[in-house]
Amino acid sequence: GAGVSQSPSNKVTEKGKDVELRCDPISGHTALYWYRQSLGQGLEFLIYFQGNSAPDKSGLPSDRFSAERTGGSVSTLTIQRTQQEDSAVYLCASSLRLHEQYFGPGTRLTVT
Amino acid sequence: GDSVTQMEGPVTLSEEAFLTINCTYTATGYPSLFWYVQYPGEGLQLLLKATKADDKGSNKGFEATYRKETTSFHLEKGSVQVSDSAVYFCALASGTYKYIFGTGTRLKVLA
Repeated sequence: GAGVSQSPSNKVTEKGKDVELRCDPISGHTALYWYRQSLGQGLEFLIYFQGNSAPDKSGLPSDRFSAERTGGSVSTLTIQRTQQEDSAVYLCASSLRLHEQYFGPGTRLTVT
Repeated sequence: GDSVTQMEGPVTLSEEAFLTINCTYTATGYPSLFWYVQYPGEGLQLLLKATKADDKGSNKGFEATYRKETTSFHLEKGSVQVSDSAVYFCALASGTYKYIFGTGTRLKVLA
């Protein structure tokens, strides 16, 4: 079946603009994760959804970052007033079973 | 807090050479441990996992053993192929949903 998809694959934006990144998880997967991968860094946990609820938002770097998930499916990560340090690859993963995450290809965000 | 440290790359090997990528961790409790692989142009894929001490995870000729006494989960393969060229990430599960990843190790296998 279809894997996790993310859009756009690449996004270039000017500093100060808002961006929305989308994640379509594998159908039926109840858990959804967002990570950030900066150059030379490992994956940084941002937020976790179980269904539409986000019990842990502690990884969001600042209040400029927010995420939502609707219908237990699609998720959107929004970054307001983007800064150059937000440039990174944003990865989404979904899972049905414990410890079996399936990752999307990521969105490469460049803030100029 | 919990953390994962893995050897820096890149690692360059000739085909059929033996591979070891070191990974050590710091964690409270007894985390589950993972190796993920990212092939060029693709998303991360789970390669193998181990959920308790002394467990050995294996897949595609790769192996890693959960060593609690040395807090390590080193990845090994006896004979690498060009197709194994990728970035390898060690990770641990801190609780049921929070994952801590290492910085990744790039492997390049030459024919």
